[in-house]
Amino acid sequence: KAGVTQTPRYLIKTRGQQVTLSCSPISGHRSVSWYQQTPGQGLQFLFEYFSETQRNKGNFPGRFSGRQFSNSRSEMNVSTLELGDSALYLCASKRELTNTEAFFGQGTRLTVV
Amino acid sequence: QQPVQSPQAVILREGEDAVINCSSSKALYSVHWYRQKHGEAPVFLMILLKGGEQKGHEKISASFNEKKQQSSLYLTASQLSYSGTYFCGTGGSGGRDDKIIFGKGTRLHILP
Repeated sequence: KAGVTQTPRYLIKTRGQQVTLSCSPISGHRSVSWYQQTPGQGLQFLFEYFSETQRNKGNFPGRFSGRQFSNSRSEMNVSTLELGDSALYLCASKRELTNTEAFFGQGTRLTVV
Repeated sequence: QQPVQSPQAVILREGEDAVINCSSSKALYSVHWYRQKHGEAPVFLMILLKGGEQKGHEKISASFNEKKQQSSLYLTASQLSYSGTYFCGTGGSGGRDDKIIFGKGTRLHILP
């Protein structure tokens, strides 16, 4: 059974640019959550999608957005990149919205220069 | 809203025990524990869904004190493979506004 796949694994972008990250959940999983991980801050919740609908949103500026497609694949977009956006972005998939095990992808390491 | 984990870091020798605490200022309905090894994705350990519930996996167990709004993770007779960063996540009751909010993590290093 294939795990959660995130692409690309690494990205280097310049301040002011925008970026799109992709996450393919485990087959049959309908919930996809996105987290930002930076040293010392743990896993900061960005948003969660379920059946193409955003169900929850964290405390991030509107520059961070996402969407989910009918095949449950999800994309996250960050516009007008800032240096502080440099981080590891992780997505996690779950079968349902309820309290069940989440499976994380390897993440996308974004560096903004 | 982010749960507070303590200690921030701990160094142990193989075979010693460790306790990692997770506390929340809000009512807890569920607690999720994950471990992340360096350079790898976080991996699920266990979920505790109701107050007083204790769960275990081999020599790793956890308790959930709903009244005190806290959970503790117990690592008994630690092994080298236990090294990593442990995250607790607090969740809601499973309703629409349910999301898992993780703490900043506890770094555990096991020495041979």
